[in-house]
Amino acid sequence: AQRVTQPEKLLSVFKGAPVELKCNYSYSGSPELFWYVQYSRQRLQLLLRHISRESIKGFTADLNKGETSFHLKKPFAQEEDSAMYYCALGPQSMEYGNKLVFGAGTILRVKS
Amino acid sequence: SAVISQKPSRDICQRGTSLTIQCQVDSQVTMMFWYRQQPGQSLTLIATANQGSEATYESGFVIDKFPISRPNLTFSTLTVSNMSPEDSSIYLCSAARQGTPYEQYFGPGTRLTVT
Repeated sequence: AQRVTQPEKLLSVFKGAPVELKCNYSYSGSPELFWYVQYSRQRLQLLLRHISRESIKGFTADLNKGETSFHLKKPFAQEEDSAMYYCALGPQSMEYGNKLVFGAGTILRVKS
Repeated sequence: SAVISQKPSRDICQRGTSLTIQCQVDSQVTMMFWYRQQPGQSLTLIATANQGSEATYESGFVIDKFPISRPNLTFSTLTVSNMSPEDSSIYLCSAARQGTPYEQYFGPGTRLTVT
């Protein structure tokens, strides 16, 4: 079965400090991995996807198949990065349909 | 992108009653989904709303409890039937386009409290 683990419920850092939000997954196949973000009083939205290898708002995430991880990183945190971050897995298998599996989420608080 | 609206935004209901939540997308999308987010927990997929056919339910969710309709490409409803306090949750609608099922656009959610 697919599973996404985000070990930290809350991550608190100072402005300008590096950020790493951890995500590990369990899936026997070759998944698609995503990070979704929910800012205060806003709806959940896609932040980035591993297949596009992009940097969005200074965030990057690299899929490490050996460690089954997809950690989200940013070299210098900003106060506006404070939000709830969800790691999500999309299994590329007809067996699972189009089910997106979410981790429990990590609250990032950036302090000034 | 797609903009999704949900109605109602919140409601307080008595146990044993039913509530229908509406989800409207501003453009045609292929896939629509319904999620539940219980207090302090992550999102759990309830079902995929299929246009013109029965929804596809995930394990632990049944049609009698959560009937879903999708009469066209831009609209879907979720009914929470015979509610109990355990159904208190945020219910989210999302949509995705053909070929990118995991790149989902989410509605603002419906916060349901059952007393």
